[in-house]
Amino acid sequence: AQSVTQLDSHVSVSEGTPVLLRCNYSSSYSPSLFWYVQHPNKGLQLLLKYTSAATLVKGINGFEAEFKKSETSFHLTKPSAHMSDAAEYFCVVSATPYSGGYQKVTFGTGTKLQVIP
Amino acid sequence: EAQVTQNPRYLITVTGKKLTVTCSQNMNHEYMSWYRQDPGLGLRQIYYSMNVEVTDKGDVPEGYKVSRKEKRNFPLILESPSPNQTSLYFCASSQKGLAAYEQYFGPGTRLTVT
Repeated sequence: AQSVTQLDSHVSVSEGTPVLLRCNYSSSYSPSLFWYVQHPNKGLQLLLKYTSAATLVKGINGFEAEFKKSETSFHLTKPSAHMSDAAEYFCVVSATPYSGGYQKVTFGTGTKLQVIP
Repeated sequence: EAQVTQNPRYLITVTGKKLTVTCSQNMNHEYMSWYRQDPGLGLRQIYYSMNVEVTDKGDVPEGYKVSRKEKRNFPLILESPSPNQTSLYFCASSQKGLAAYEQYFGPGTRLTVT
């Protein structure tokens, strides 16, 4: 079984200030973790992914996330928000329950990021 | 350009009128999937396909059908749409159906059933 909890449905930051979007997960297997971004009226785009290599993952547009197994967290951060970062962000956990089997994908409910000029 | 395309982008229909939403990818991906997105619920998987002629149910398959006769295409069929199927639908593909592979998403289809 697996689940994803995005702790904030809305986050509001001022332009130029840090961004923190929180994600906790649970999985009975060794998961891969992803962050996707969805701009208004657009499809989803991959920001970054963790697949059991380095625990600090760097993505596009200055975003990064740290996989913390002991805390079962995968929070997304950015040092300085830009107006173009305003979007909805989804944390995703994916795991293959058994060898030779297929992935099980679970999305979080999303966090809407508002950037104030 | 590598992409996933969906058609139509917008559709308004009436209860019970069969419809098909097409999905096509040009990346030779093995894995394809359909999701619906509803406010406050994130994306929920409807059906997925590991390869040609291999499909399986996701978390919310009721009222939907799929087929995978060619590697590039994965249509979603609503044989008798109902208002609770009003939603935003996304098709996605990935190179393989394993956990480490990211998905590539289409632009979405907004369906309204009256």
